[in-house]
Amino acid sequence: AQTVTQSQPEMSVQEAETVTLSCTYDTSENNYYLFWYKQPPSRQMILVIRQEAYKQQNATENRFSVNFQKAAKSFSLKISDSQLGDTAMYFCAFPDSSNTGKLIFGQGTTLQVKP
Amino acid sequence: GAGVSQTPSNKVTEKGKYVELRCDPISGHTALYWYRQSLGQGPEFLIYFQGTGAADDSGLPNDRFFAVRPEGSVSTLKIQRTERGDSAVYLCASSKDRWDTEAFFGQGTRLTVV
Repeated sequence: AQTVTQSQPEMSVQEAETVTLSCTYDTSENNYYLFWYKQPPSRQMILVIRQEAYKQQNATENRFSVNFQKAAKSFSLKISDSQLGDTAMYFCAFPDSSNTGKLIFGQGTTLQVKP
Repeated sequence: GAGVSQTPSNKVTEKGKYVELRCDPISGHTALYWYRQSLGQGPEFLIYFQGTGAADDSGLPNDRFFAVRPEGSVSTLKIQRTERGDSAVYLCASSKDRWDTEAFFGQGTRLTVV
């Protein structure tokens, strides 16, 4: 079965510092995408960053970057120069093998950025 | 529309009642998904539409749940004989098609069954 595990229910970081959120997953697929979504209190899921599994280079979007370890099935999110607006719940996700585009989500990590 | 719109934003209903939740996807998006998110958990897949047809309804928990998308745009999730365990946030997402890697989410409907 395909699964996604986020082992950190809650994390906190001081403003301007760096934090890393962990995610591991299990799939028998070889080519796939991985995603990190942000869900602020407004509830709307916002795509933060995506990684293509066949690309060795780690994806980067401004202050957000990933550490993708395909063999270890690990996909962590690093947030640099944390800002108060980064406070939210973060979900790791990937499409299941049915080719319908439906996503399997982890349990989420609540991130609190402190002033 | 500019984004995925879900109405109502919040819905409180009594146990046993019938409810309808609406999703208006981004114009031109053929793929539409419904997810259910319980408190403190990640979203769980309910149903996927490609155009007007429900291509995958394997996530619907039981036959009290039903969804339609008659014209290939707006979708309605229908829950009959609501139970307190149905209380959750119901999220809708759309994408250009099932191969598109970016799904856009609405703000969800928080359903509370009392």
